[in-house]
Amino acid sequence: AAGVIQSPRHLIKEKRETATLKCYPIPRHDTVYWYQQGPGQDPQFLISFYEKMQSDKGSIPDRFSAQQFSDYHSELNMSSLELGDSALYFCASSLGGGNQPQHFGDGTRLSIL
Amino acid sequence: AQKITQTQPGMFVQEKEAVTLDCTYDTSDQSYGLFWYKQPSSGEMIFLIYQGSYDEQNATEGRYSLNFQKARKSANLVISASQLGDSAMYFCAMRLYNNNDMRFGAGTRLTVKP
Repeated sequence: AAGVIQSPRHLIKEKRETATLKCYPIPRHDTVYWYQQGPGQDPQFLISFYEKMQSDKGSIPDRFSAQQFSDYHSELNMSSLELGDSALYFCASSLGGGNQPQHFGDGTRLSIL
Repeated sequence: AQKITQTQPGMFVQEKEAVTLDCTYDTSDQSYGLFWYKQPSSGEMIFLIYQGSYDEQNATEGRYSLNFQKARKSANLVISASQLGDSAMYFCAMRLYNNNDMRFGAGTRLTVKP
């Protein structure tokens, strides 16, 4: 079965640069989520989209923005990168919200030098 | 806001034995879902099992079962017949039905010994 696809798998950037992470949800899934997992930490919810509209917002810094496109893929844009942004970034998708499980992609490992 | 507590940072289990990973949660909402995820050392996050707050039966998925005790606000994961491939970090998570913000516990690192 098709899973959530994230690209790139690994990304190395320097401080103050920008980065764009991409996510392709499972086909027919209408809700996309972004999470940030720092080293040794549990995942932290950043933001979610339902039917291309932002639905909930978590601890997403103002330097980050995200959107969901007409084909349901989503992008997380990160600017003025800081050392603390080094983390594993997950995208997840679900069919609806509430009691539906979120299926995660393999993540993008972002390293800031 | 909801809070998830996993009190076991690490657990060891002998291959083929059963193991219980503890999870307690705190919320004043009545409508919520509880999830368990497995994260191997390779980093991916794998969905294991789900329990809804209104479900009367404990959820089961193959070797995984969820011991749901609503009055105690606990949702422990039971893995039967442990295998070496079960060695991983396990996260308990909770989400309110009307909110997409899923909160995770700190995780339990399970090591299966041969």
